[in-house]
Amino acid sequence: AQTVTQSQPEMSVQEAETVTLSCTYDTSENNYYLFWYKQPPSRQMILVIRQEAYKQQNATENRFSVNFQKAAKSFSLKISDSQLGDTAMYFCAFTPHTGTASKLTFGTGTRLQVTL
Amino acid sequence: DTAVSQTPKYLVTQMGNDKSIKCEQNLGHDTMYWYKQDSKKFLKIMFSYNNKELIINETVPNRFSPKSPDKAHLNLHINSLELGDSAVYFCASSQDRVGLAVSSYEQYFGPGTRLTVT
Repeated sequence: AQTVTQSQPEMSVQEAETVTLSCTYDTSENNYYLFWYKQPPSRQMILVIRQEAYKQQNATENRFSVNFQKAAKSFSLKISDSQLGDTAMYFCAFTPHTGTASKLTFGTGTRLQVTL
Repeated sequence: DTAVSQTPKYLVTQMGNDKSIKCEQNLGHDTMYWYKQDSKKFLKIMFSYNNKELIINETVPNRFSPKSPDKAHLNLHINSLELGDSAVYFCASSQDRVGLAVSSYEQYFGPGTRLTVT
């Protein structure tokens, strides 16, 4: 069974600063995908960034980037130039590369507050 | 042009009642899911259907019965509602085809249905 751990229940960052959210996971799978989802107060789940385990290059999406360390089973999210709209719960998620109905296993989330 | 829609968004009902939540996706995806988010914000898979066939059933009480009339719809019916069923229920969909890029494994979520059982 896969597990995903987010050790930071809450974090705070000032606007325009950089913050890193940590995520570790445990799996015996070799092929899998990792995701970060954002859930603002509106409760909509929004995909922020994705990473394929077989790709060594870290994924980047505008101000969002990841530090993927496969051997350490670590998948942290870096948010640069933080904006007030980044205030949300952030969930790290894992899915194996099975091809059919790949369920997401989520971490417990990190509540990020961006302040002025 | 909503991708994944759910109705209703809010549902307040009494213990013992039966209720349904509907989900529809217009993305042409093959796979649909139901997740439950509890009061501590923890998200857990409940069910998954692929082309109308039940693929995942994660030890959910028999009072919960998903139904997929076609691959664009996945409804959730709950019998004899209990206080502990109060949660936000999310529907999601994905392509899930072997050999395709990571984008085929991305799950797109509906807006969620907040169920309150009193």
